[in-house]
Amino acid sequence: GAGVSQSPSNKVTEKGKDVELRCDPISGHTALYWYRQSLGQGLEFLIYFQGNSAPDKSGLPSDRFSAERTGGSVSTLTIQRTQQEDSAVYLCASSPKPGQGYYGYTFGSGTRLTVV
Amino acid sequence: KNQVEQSPQSLIILEGKNCTLQCNYTVSPFSNLRWYKQDTGRGPVSLTIMTFSENTKSNGRYTATLDADTKQSSLHITASQLSDSASYICVVFISSGSARQLTFGSGTQLTVLP
Repeated sequence: GAGVSQSPSNKVTEKGKDVELRCDPISGHTALYWYRQSLGQGLEFLIYFQGNSAPDKSGLPSDRFSAERTGGSVSTLTIQRTQQEDSAVYLCASSPKPGQGYYGYTFGSGTRLTVV
Repeated sequence: KNQVEQSPQSLIILEGKNCTLQCNYTVSPFSNLRWYKQDTGRGPVSLTIMTFSENTKSNGRYTATLDADTKQSSLHITASQLSDSASYICVVFISSGSARQLTFGSGTQLTVLP
């Protein structure tokens, strides 16, 4: 597609439930990133996928968080047993392979997650 | 430690006025610096991209400056409009293939009043 697409745009879930957030990157972008933005806070790195390489999961805050990227394209961020502190906007971004220019780095519109 | 600090944290101005947002960084090795505009409930949108050798970059009413020696950048908004109300985020990219190639500031929340 023309841009990075995220779904759903908004998600309200009950504490303890699992949620899945989806990101569809720009076609041809090999790198995909997930970030979390809590209210009034800066962007927090979660996980990074680059091609077929093992993902960099160093930003995931706990083992309740996991992410997959199937076929080098669509990615799903899963949060298990959600907690209220998980409430945030989850942003996805994609870019061409690092070293080939950062000018294609593009964010999606995000998923606003509210845990009640 | 790579850090990006923005000031002010929030700013309220009247429509039609100018304003300047600041970004100081301690990021190495520096690749480029970007200013993003993030409307409420939306993803960040790139306004300007500046490399080490660029001092000024304009995008309509937005003008960004970069002083690589002092590691400071500013975003100047001219003749503000109500639609400029948003969070403005300074992001510094490092020259690395690492995932942690970006360092984000916490943003300046700009409110433009009629």
